Amino acid sequence: DIVMTQTPLSLSVTPGQPASISCKSSQSLLHSDGKTYLYWYLQKPGQPPQLLIYEVSNRFSGVPDRFSGSGSGTDFTLKISRVEAEDVGVYYCMQSIQLPLTFGPGTKVDIK
Amino acid sequence: QVQLVQSGAEVKKPGASVKVSCKASGYTFTSYYMHWVRQAPGQGLEWMGIINPSGGSTSYAQKFQGRVTMTRDTSTSTVYMELSSLRSEDTAVYYCARGPIDYWGQGTLVTVSS
Repeated sequence: DIVMTQTPLSLSVTPGQPASISCKSSQSLLHSDGKTYLYWYLQKPGQPPQLLIYEVSNRFSGVPDRFSGSGSGTDFTLKISRVEAEDVGVYYCMQSIQLPLTFGPGTKVDIK
Repeated sequence: QVQLVQSGAEVKKPGASVKVSCKASGYTFTSYYMHWVRQAPGQGLEWMGIINPSGGSTSYAQKFQGRVTMTRDTSTSTVYMELSSLRSEDTAVYYCARGPIDYWGQGTLVTVSS
């Protein structure tokens, strides 16, 4: 199984300031079809996860442009350019290049 | 709009089975796989398995092999996840999620307690 790790596991951010979360996979997520199957989700308190970024850097429908994803191979980053109060929750990365799908442990983001 | 509506909360005794439903709407049901993911209280996300609504083929996480069964009813655009031989560690919120895991159901809390 592919192991996903995230750093940091918690993050306290001042509103308006940037934030960055790192995700690493134990194997490359680059598929032979040229796509890289790395996704980012935000789970707000009491809600199901919601998709933010798919295939490393593509924002899902309705996701604000302050969210961006980057990376390749086994190393990936989610950046929030200016954190807002509504961005609090737990952020997960996930790989879907092979079954079983696996998630990172999550990064809890709160507001200072 | 895409919607996944799951059945309500369940309380089960150890050793029993639970069957959770997930009704899809807003898209062509047979065109997207469906995943099941669970989340124990205060814990992270755990993938359980996947079903192809078109042909009904499934693939399960090794951890749940022999205890989980995923089925679908194309006439009602509904997928089901049945978990048997329940134990306290199965207490969790169970989510269905459309492949490629873009839309999620609201979750179903399953509590296993004697």
